[in-house]
Amino acid sequence: DVKVTQSSRYLVKRTGEKVFLECVQDMDHENMFWYRQDPGLGLRLIYFSYDVKMKEKGDIPEGYSVSREKKERFSLILESASTNQTSMYLCASSSPSSLYEQYFGPGTRLTVT
Amino acid sequence: GQQLNQSPQSMFIQEGEDVSMNCTSSSIFNTWLWYKQEPGEGPVLLIALYKAGELTSNGRLTAQFGITRKDSFLNISASIPSDVGIYFCAGLGGSNYKLTFGKGTLLTVNP
Repeated sequence: DVKVTQSSRYLVKRTGEKVFLECVQDMDHENMFWYRQDPGLGLRLIYFSYDVKMKEKGDIPEGYSVSREKKERFSLILESASTNQTSMYLCASSSPSSLYEQYFGPGTRLTVT
Repeated sequence: GQQLNQSPQSMFIQEGEDVSMNCTSSSIFNTWLWYKQEPGEGPVLLIALYKAGELTSNGRLTAQFGITRKDSFLNISASIPSDVGIYFCAGLGGSNYKLTFGKGTLLTVNP
């Protein structure tokens, strides 16, 4: 069974704090993704990675960075959290062997106060 | 960029009714995926479609990949209260990495 886990389900941070969101997958997938989900805006891609140490910007990368040091782990970093980054953050992974179907983690609900 | 138009935005139905929702695009997609998201959870993959004209079922759910490769629909038969959630379509086009998502259909089932 496929498994994508995220480090926290709920997180509350203060404006200006550095925030780390971690995602781990156990499916040996090459591709990993970070999305944010906001009411009325749907899922928007922040960054994705197609290999260790490789990354590409998605549709809304501003204010975020990512790190992929190991194949199974993909981290999203908010360098200086702001209130407009309050959102649901979803991690996903995919692979050619699974026909590029994306599998999602349970999400992290981040509130920045 | 590619966009998906998903309709309806929301549906409120009685338990036992059948449901139909669809996604259309001006672009061609090579794969269509349908996800369900329950409150506070991540999307869960329901059905994946890979060929134009393909019709695939998963229990009471049936989805089809349109002949033109620019649309897909999802049907739910004999709805039950646990069908409640947001249903998303997603398409995989020229890039094998990136999905394009619809905005979702919010389904409410009245017992």
